[in-house]
Amino acid sequence: DAKTTQPNSMESNEEEPVHLPCNHSTISGTDYIHWYRQLPSQGPEYVIHGLTSNVNNRMASLAIAEDRKSSTLILHRATLRDAAVYYCILGSGNQAGTALIFGKGTTLSVSS
Amino acid sequence: GAVVSQHPSWVICKSGTSVKIECRSLDFQATTMFWYRQFPKQSLMLMATSNEGSKATYEQGVEKDKFLINHASLTLSTLTVTSAHPEDSSFYICSAEGGANYGYTFGSGTRLTVV
Repeated sequence: DAKTTQPNSMESNEEEPVHLPCNHSTISGTDYIHWYRQLPSQGPEYVIHGLTSNVNNRMASLAIAEDRKSSTLILHRATLRDAAVYYCILGSGNQAGTALIFGKGTTLSVSS
Repeated sequence: GAVVSQHPSWVICKSGTSVKIECRSLDFQATTMFWYRQFPKQSLMLMATSNEGSKATYEQGVEKDKFLINHASLTLSTLTVTSAHPEDSSFYICSAEGGANYGYTFGSGTRLTVV
């Protein structure tokens, strides 16, 4: 399975932008980059995903390096509710029925 | 958007008894569902892949006779923990592939405590 590397933890202040990095140097051409987050005692929640181009949605932005070996999840204005474990996961775009494999993720703390 | 309902959200059972956890896709059909478990302060670990109408595929080290998975319809998969023991206490999470917005939707999880 393609692997990702994320920092164990990051800290942020409320209303400041947060940049969560992810390295995936062994990414293949068909791998999508998925980001999920998990709040305590809840199931993972979809954040964003992309293949090659940068992506924006109401929750976050995803910046993908030109060589696709790294990406950054951007939370434009962190709130206390954004404190969670963020997972960067590579998933095959052409294999239906393939599960997402979770790494350790980054624990984001947000201070007021 | 795609919604996956998981029930119950928590359960306490006695050692030796069996517990069934349900996972339903509410507004889409899910050909494939996945079951994970998560121990405290650890990441999600894939247990098995469940395909509608066929036998589940279990990950290495997961006992198929202990963790029975049934996916009888396109909207329902169940996980039964048989003869539960305290070491089976964990957070169990299901995921369904499909839905209008995106490929993977997760349930809210079931906290199982075996006493």
